[in-house]
Formats: sequence, C-alpha cells, structure tokens
Amino acid sequence: GENVEQHPSTLSVQEGDSAVIKCTYSDSASNYFPWYKQELGKGPQLIIDIRSNVGEKKDQRIAVTLNKTAKHFSLHITETQPEDSAVYFCAARFGNEKLTFGTGTRLTIIP
Amino acid sequence: GAVVSQHPSWVICKSGTSVKIECRSLDFQATTMFWYRQFPKQSLMLMATSNEGSKATYEQGVEKDKFLINHASLTLSTLTVTSAHPEDSSFYICSARIPRTGGVNQPQHFGDGTRLSIL
Repeated sequence: GENVEQHPSTLSVQEGDSAVIKCTYSDSASNYFPWYKQELGKGPQLIIDIRSNVGEKKDQRIAVTLNKTAKHFSLHITETQPEDSAVYFCAARFGNEKLTFGTGTRLTIIP
Repeated sequence: GAVVSQHPSWVICKSGTSVKIECRSLDFQATTMFWYRQFPKQSLMLMATSNEGSKATYEQGVEKDKFLINHASLTLSTLTVTSAHPEDSSFYICSARIPRTGGVNQPQHFGDGTRLSIL
C-alpha cells in the first residue's frame, strides 16, 4: 500500500517569511495530492490540491509543487501570518481509493 | 463550497454507554463517507469506509461490532460506538467525498470532529 512521509514534524517561521513542508510517497500510481490544515479542536480543512498531470499549482499565498519522478510534493506558504499557525497534513491517493496521510507538521508563526 | 457537518462536537458519558455520531453532507450527495480516529498530536487513522446502501468496509484492526456504521442515505452516515470504555476516548472525524464529476475524482472534505470522553 501507499506510504507517505512528511517533514519536518515541527516548523517555526518568523511572520512574513516563507514556510515549506515536504512529503514523499511510495506508490507511483498515486495521482492526487491534497493538503489539509487542521486547527486545534477542528477537523482538517482542504487548502490546496494537485493532480499528477500538473507540476505546480498556486492559490494566493499557497502553492504546491509535484515531482512525479522523485515522488515528492511540497507545500509553500509565502508571507506567513499568525493565522497560518496550525497542523498541516499532506496526503496521497490513487484514483477513487482512500487517502493516505502524512504524519503532520505543526507550523508556528512567530509574530 | 462543500460542507460536512458532524454532530455532536463533544460527548462525555459513562463507561458502558453507546454513543452515536452523525455526519451529514450539507450541499452535495455523498455516496462514500469515511470515519477517522485521531489521537493527540497524531495523524488521522482511517477506521472504515461507508458506502450508501451497503455494508461499511473496515480497516484492519477495527472491530466491526464495536464501531457500527450506517450510511442510510446519500447525505447521512452514523458511527455508533457501542458499550464505550475509557480506551475509546478519542477525536472522531468523518469525511465525505464529492461524487466523481466529468470522469474526475473529487476532493474529500471533513467535518469538525467529535471529541468523545468516556469516564
């Protein structure tokens, strides 16, 4: 089955700086890669996703890049703000199968 | 946008009680819903996949008779924790997937979770 590794487990960034979270996956058949943000006491919220037919996708301050050859994908947050502090999870999926999640990254934005 | 509603958000009950958690897709019909369990500072662990009108598919190690899942309609799935004990205390989260559209598989959206505390 699919295995997703996520790094780092914790990340502290000065407000205004950029944050990068990286994930690798094992199953080359995986073709859908979402990122979720989870705030304390709440469920995960989808913030961006990418399919295997593109290499990069951007939505305002958030971007995701995908390297299919290396089987890794990354989340980039620019101009970080205090409200970006949360736990971020990457995930991978093939077709309509179940999502496999990474272990999560606790991002702290330092004012 | 797509919204998944989960109820209740917090439950505290005595050991031996059965607890039902509801998950609703508010603005779309979900043929497939998922139930997850999350321990503090850990990732989401899939418990079962719930398909409307058929039996749920449980992940290895998850007791079917302990965690009863019913997906009776396209907008509602329920998880019942039967005879709950303190070790069942956890954060339970449901998720629903928007139906495949135009041949493209769609994103999965999550409810806000239910914190279950068994005394």
